[in-house]
Amino acid sequence: EAGVTQFPSHSVIEKGQTVTLRCDPISGHDNLYWYRRVMGKEIKFLLHFVKESKQDESGMPNNRFLAERTGGTYSTLKVQPAELEDSGVYFCASSSAGGGTDTQYFGPGTRLTVL
Amino acid sequence: QKEVEQNSGPLSVPEGAIASLNCTYSDRVSQSFFWYRQYSGKSPELIMSIYSNGDKEDGRFTAQLNKASQYVSLLIRDSQPSDSATYLCAVSLTKFNFGNEKLTFGTGTRLTIIP
Repeated sequence: EAGVTQFPSHSVIEKGQTVTLRCDPISGHDNLYWYRRVMGKEIKFLLHFVKESKQDESGMPNNRFLAERTGGTYSTLKVQPAELEDSGVYFCASSSAGGGTDTQYFGPGTRLTVL
Repeated sequence: QKEVEQNSGPLSVPEGAIASLNCTYSDRVSQSFFWYRQYSGKSPELIMSIYSNGDKEDGRFTAQLNKASQYVSLLIRDSQPSDSATYLCAVSLTKFNFGNEKLTFGTGTRLTIIP
């Protein structure tokens, strides 16, 4: 079974540019999560999809971040325009069911550097 | 006060000894507790989950939970060099209810097993 995949693995952009990160969850997983780790800090929750619906987007830092999950399969996270403080590693995770007891499987992350 | 606190380390343990990793959390209503292992540049991998007070053993790993003290720990017996990694403590508010399943992470403890 393929794990969670993320693309690209690395992205270097200039301040003000737009970047789109993609996450493909494990097949059949309805729950998809985005997290971010800024240098030296803990991994922080951004948002949670159940199928194509946003269940919780309380962690999204501001309106420069837009997440979508059309069709309930893969998800994209767009940052527009990117700022220096957006640099970090963006992780995607998926799980098969709700309830807080199911394993969230993490992808390898996308390392974003904003210059 | 951070929501989930861990000693960042590094923690050095001789091969074959017991490694003890600790974590405290601030939200008393937290229900689910997880230990993830992350090798450098790789995705976090779930190694233990615990939901009830007491000990839970899985192979060389034992998770311990004390909700009254808001404390969760991970013991690694017979430590191996391959156990060298960063160990992340994560907490969720939910156990059986759907929704609000975001994980709140500590900054992680870097563990080094010395051959």
